[in-house]
Amino acid sequence: GESVGLHLPTLSVQEGDNSIINCAYSNSASDYFIWYKQESGKGPQFIIDIRSNMDKRQGQRVTVLLNKTVKHLSLQIAATQPGDSAVYFCAENGGSQGNLIFGKGTKLSVKP
Amino acid sequence: KAGVTQTPRYLIKTRGQQVTLSCSPISGHRSVSWYQQTPGQGLQFLFEYFSETQRNKGNFPGRFSGRQFSNSRSEMNVSTLELGDSALYLCASSLDGWNTGELFFGEGSRLTVL
Repeated sequence: GESVGLHLPTLSVQEGDNSIINCAYSNSASDYFIWYKQESGKGPQFIIDIRSNMDKRQGQRVTVLLNKTVKHLSLQIAATQPGDSAVYFCAENGGSQGNLIFGKGTKLSVKP
Repeated sequence: KAGVTQTPRYLIKTRGQQVTLSCSPISGHRSVSWYQQTPGQGLQFLFEYFSETQRNKGNFPGRFSGRQFSNSRSEMNVSTLELGDSALYLCASSLDGWNTGELFFGEGSRLTVL
């Protein structure tokens, strides 16, 4: 059930370290952004979202930062665990068909 | 409650054939979206159905079609299959659409075209 893995940027971190995953979004008109996590053999799973009237939002062990000036989004994971190993996607609501646009994804690999 | 269910999970077809994939959304969800996922293109939007009507459509050829039933279950069909249609097809459901609530994805149907 693997879905991605080829040609993906990869971030390798040690268990317990903090991880930062970056995303450049495409449409300056986008005003809603979401981070998804996709484990091998599974569909994407919602992690956290943020609207353009905010520049930071925190969840449990995760923080999303939004910089509208440079169209940049980041996901910070604190105290990364082996279970965090997955592909992470950002998404924006700037699709011309009223759809979400997904980034290509970043593979996070956590070393025990 | 049960999550989004997609069937079949895996299938192999040959060029020129057609395929139908099924998606059962979370109970109470009225919006069903379909995405194609490939290593080269990532996640690409196919279409969205809401209350049995196609509400949005992505940039895919007419060989890709879908429908939604009164119980919100959805099917997508790909006719005259091409090698490039090999992909993971993901279905996502939400209460009223992605912009009003969280999208819940199924595990996907892995299509291989030979």
